[in-house]
Amino acid sequence: KAGVTQTPRYLIKTRGQQVTLSCSPISGHRSVSWYQQTPGQGLQFLFEYFSETQRNKGNFPGRFSGRQFSNSRSEMNVSTLELGDSALYLCASSFGQGRNEQFFGPGTRLTVL
Amino acid sequence: AQSVAQPEDQVNVAEGNPLTVKCTYSVSGNPYLFWYVQYPNRGLQFLLKYITGDNLVKGSYGFEAEFNKSQTSFHLKKPSALVSDSALYFCAVNPDILTGGGNKLTFGTGTQLKVEL
Repeated sequence: KAGVTQTPRYLIKTRGQQVTLSCSPISGHRSVSWYQQTPGQGLQFLFEYFSETQRNKGNFPGRFSGRQFSNSRSEMNVSTLELGDSALYLCASSFGQGRNEQFFGPGTRLTVL
Repeated sequence: AQSVAQPEDQVNVAEGNPLTVKCTYSVSGNPYLFWYVQYPNRGLQFLLKYITGDNLVKGSYGFEAEFNKSQTSFHLKKPSALVSDSALYFCAVNPDILTGGGNKLTFGTGTQLKVEL
């Protein structure tokens, strides 16, 4: 079974631009969660989508948004990029219940200049 | 609100010796607890989880963890460390169905494990 895939793997943007990251979950998984990893703040939850609906949301500004498609693939968008948005963005998929482990993709490394 | 603490930034151990990576948690309701490992430039890999039942949980690569409700701890252990175990380890908690459910992992700050020959 193929794992979680994320594209692109690396991205360089400048301040003020916007970016879209993509995540394809493991087949059969309906829950997709997004996390931001930085050296200063560690791993922080962004949001979770389940069956095309946002089910949980973290404490991030409205510039961070996401969506999920009917095939469970998910995208996250960051508008008006700031230097502090430079991070590793991780996507994780699971069957959906909190008791199920999440499987993580390799991440997208975003650098904002 | 839920939180996870990993009090040690780094743990050093000699190969062949037992290792322990500490984790304590604070949650409402019953915790769903997880351990993940991250190798350089990689995503996180699931090691093991505690949902309910037996307090000693066995996971991948010979790792195990002990859930202690009275001490609100979930320490990761391995009887005999390998150099290849050197990596960054994260403890995490998910809310149970009574406190919202779904997937919203709260992670600890991570513990760098270094296993030396």
